[in-house]
Amino acid sequence: DAGITQSPRHKVTETGTPVTLRCHQTENHRYMYWYRQDPGHGLRLIHYSYGVKDTDKGEVSDGYSVSRSKTEDFLLTLESATSSQTSVYFCAISENPAGGLNEQFFGPGTRLTVL
Amino acid sequence: GDSVTQMEGPVTLSEEAFLTINCTYTATGYPSLFWYVQYPGEGLQLLLKATKADDKGSNKGFEATYRKETTSFHLEKGSVQVSDSAVYFCALSAKAGGTSYGKLTFGQGTILTVHP
Repeated sequence: DAGITQSPRHKVTETGTPVTLRCHQTENHRYMYWYRQDPGHGLRLIHYSYGVKDTDKGEVSDGYSVSRSKTEDFLLTLESATSSQTSVYFCAISENPAGGLNEQFFGPGTRLTVL
Repeated sequence: GDSVTQMEGPVTLSEEAFLTINCTYTATGYPSLFWYVQYPGEGLQLLLKATKADDKGSNKGFEATYRKETTSFHLEKGSVQVSDSAVYFCALSAKAGGTSYGKLTFGQGTILTVHP
């Protein structure tokens, strides 16, 4: 199994508070991704990173920011949490999507509840 | 834009039954195609993959063939087990370049329950 951990695994927070989720990898993969999983929507990409300090938006990036100061860590921040951000968040890594194979390996997920 | 459509679930089968989960896609060019599986309380695991037309991916008794003419990648297994109960996701990845670089597009997932 790919070495990917996410923390925390579960979190309950209140509307309006900032929240930071952490993804840590031991595979030295260049590419990292944050997805959210919601019933009926599959997984949707929030942000991704293609190197240290190199990030870009996905399809559902509003209300989220990311940072990557080291290869192994990719942080997702909800600047002011809302109930619509209640979801399960997954981190994924990929060694090199060039050529289109883009096999991604997923972490165990973080279940976030915003009250 | 790219999209993936999976058959509506949930799917309930008896052990040793034949499984088909339909998946069709819309994409420009020649995407790579994947099936991921998610067991209860866990993250997604890659089940199988195919990178070009007529490729067959296979793993753990599951198979799927990349059909460009019908833009499909249906998942099949000849004899399911209780341990196959999970959520199955079809996904595609466009070739590198432009804004789709590195992005996986997922279907909505199909819940499979297998009874003894």
